[in-house]
Amino acid sequence: DAGITQSPRHKVTETGTPVTLRCHQTENHRYMYWYRQDPGHGLRLIHYSYGVKDTDKGEVSDGYSVSRSKTEDFLLTLESATSSQTSVYFCAISERDSPLHFGNGTRLTVT
Amino acid sequence: AQSVAQPEDQVNVAEGNPLTVKCTYSVSGNPYLFWYVQYPNRGLQFLLKYITGDNLVKGSYGFEAEFNKSQTSFHLKKPSALVSDSALYFCAVSRPSNKFYFGSGTKLNVKP
Repeated sequence: DAGITQSPRHKVTETGTPVTLRCHQTENHRYMYWYRQDPGHGLRLIHYSYGVKDTDKGEVSDGYSVSRSKTEDFLLTLESATSSQTSVYFCAISERDSPLHFGNGTRLTVT
Repeated sequence: AQSVAQPEDQVNVAEGNPLTVKCTYSVSGNPYLFWYVQYPNRGLQFLLKYITGDNLVKGSYGFEAEFNKSQTSFHLKKPSALVSDSALYFCAVSRPSNKFYFGSGTKLNVKP
């Protein structure tokens, strides 16, 4: 597997609490992504980054923010978690016009 | 806007038979197309890609895909299915911003 580490792997949190998911890469790839995977919806892009401090919204960005202060780290924050954000979250990395490489995912449950 | 459609939620095939998993796309300009596979409780693995050149591309585990520009399709194929091919398959498109957009996935069931 490409050098991508997601943390935590599992998290249970309560509605209204802030949550931060971390993605760390050791590949020095320029692009980093956050996706969520839900049954019937496949993978939907939340945010992506095309460089340090350069980010852009994806298909389902409402309720999420991201930060990338270093090449290797891409953080996804749920400012106030809701039950609709219960999902499996995947981080991915790539170079320009190259395939994505995925992390192992974070299973988030919001109660 | 870019989009990908996988019209079949599930495909059932007998072991040894050929398989096809369908994908159509919509993108401005020339598409970059990808197939990924996800085994249960695992992340996604890259299978193959089409960037340019030959319309038939070969990938991992004996899979291949055919790019058809006139039909805006990129169907995944394998001549002889294995039970171990049973998994969830995703088609994706990326152009021009390097954002990747995925289809909703097709569950492939290969029966012995």
